[in-house]
Amino acid sequence: NAGVMQNPRHLVRRRGQEARLRCSPMKGHSHVYWYRQLPEEGLKFMVYLQKENIIDESGMPKERFSAEFPKEGPSILRIQQVVRGDSAAYFCASSPQGWKTQYFGPGTRLLVL
Amino acid sequence: TQLLEQSPQFLSIQEGENLTVYCNSSSVFSSLQWYRQEPGEGPVLLVTVVTGGEVKKLKRLTFQFGDARKDSSLHITAAQPGDTGLYLCAGDSGGSNYKLTFGKGTLLTVNP
Repeated sequence: NAGVMQNPRHLVRRRGQEARLRCSPMKGHSHVYWYRQLPEEGLKFMVYLQKENIIDESGMPKERFSAEFPKEGPSILRIQQVVRGDSAAYFCASSPQGWKTQYFGPGTRLLVL
Repeated sequence: TQLLEQSPQFLSIQEGENLTVYCNSSSVFSSLQWYRQEPGEGPVLLVTVVTGGEVKKLKRLTFQFGDARKDSSLHITAAQPGDTGLYLCAGDSGGSNYKLTFGKGTLLTVNP
């Protein structure tokens, strides 16, 4: 059973470009969470999605950031007009419905030049 | 805002020694999860504890959830170099939203 998959593992963007981060949850998992890990800081919750629904986006910046988890395909975290402060590791986690335990992917390391 | 404080922040020990790391909060958590993260990788789940006073063992690792569900500890017996990594605790506040609040972690180095 494959684990949570994220791609790309590394992404370099120039200021003003768009970044698209993909997450494929574990098979049978219908809940997806995105977290951001900044240097010298812990992981911070960004958004919680179920298929076709955003459940909680309280940790996501109101501008430039969006997330989706369509009926088919991976979850996407999209950052428009990236700035240097967006440089971080972005992790996706998934869980089955009704489970508290979350399983993490390997992360996408975004570097904004 | 719920916060989890982990201590110590850094720990460097010799192979064979025992150690305990702590995860404390003033808030009650519905469950608490421990992860280990290695450089360049995502957190790997070690254990989930959900009941106050619960103790779980995973080989040389012993996890305890405090009676009031505000704190937890991880004890490692006879540490090995392979135990080196960043140990993270994370809690959820309950209800139907399982988003996790993370501590900043304890960076453990086990020297051969």
